[in-house]
Amino acid sequence: DTGVSQDPRHKITKRGQNVTFRCDPISEHNRLYWYRQTLGQGPEFLTYFQNEAQLEKSRLLSDRFSAERPKGSFSTLEIQRTEQGDSAMYLCASSRTGEQYFGPGTRLTVT
Amino acid sequence: EDKVVQSPLSLVVHEGDTVTLNCSYEVTNFRSLLWYKQEKKAPTFLFMLTSSGIEKKSGRLSSILDKKELFSILNITATQTGDSAIYLCAVERGSEKLVFGKGTKLTVNP
Repeated sequence: DTGVSQDPRHKITKRGQNVTFRCDPISEHNRLYWYRQTLGQGPEFLTYFQNEAQLEKSRLLSDRFSAERPKGSFSTLEIQRTEQGDSAMYLCASSRTGEQYFGPGTRLTVT
Repeated sequence: EDKVVQSPLSLVVHEGDTVTLNCSYEVTNFRSLLWYKQEKKAPTFLFMLTSSGIEKKSGRLSSILDKKELFSILNITATQTGDSAIYLCAVERGSEKLVFGKGTKLTVNP
C-alpha cells in the first residue's frame, strides 16, 4: 500500500498524559499536513510542512502541541498534558502539488 | 475570516435519485476548491476545481465551480447505497492549507 499511513489508529489515554502520533506520507510527496476532526465538523487545519520546514501553524495549535518532520519524510505530532477537549480524529495528509491525500487517521480518546 | 458553507447538512434519498450538493465560500487568496467523500474513515479525494465553468466528471459524479458567485456544486446521478457518506467541500488558500465545510451527510436508501 503506497498511501498515507498513520500510527496508531486508536489511542486511549488519561488526562494529563503525553501522546505521540506518527504519519508516513506518500513517498514522493514533499508537503505534509496535520488536521483535527471532531464529530459533525469538517477537518480543521493544524500545521503544514514543506520538506522538513514547518511553514504554518494554526491558532488551534496551543503550546501543548508540537509537530516535527526531521528528515522531510515521516512526521510526528505530540500532545503534552492531554485534556478531554483534545479527543478527536487526527488526520494527516500529503501532497506533491495540488490535491491532498489523507491517511486513515488516529482517533484519540482522552478519559 | 475564511468560511466554507455546505448545504444541505443532511439529505436522504432513494436509490436512483439525482442529488445536488452545494458549497459556497469566502476565502482570501483562493487557489482551488476540492471535494472529498468521507465514509467511516479518512476523506478520499474526488475532484479539484480551479477554473470557472469547466465541469469535471467521474462516472456518475460531476462538479463545477463558479468563481464569480463563489460556489460549487457536486452532482450525483442514479444514486446507489454505496454513495452514502459525508461529502466534504474544501477550499485551498494561497498558503496551501485547506479550509473545510461541515459536510453534507448523504443517505441513499434502497
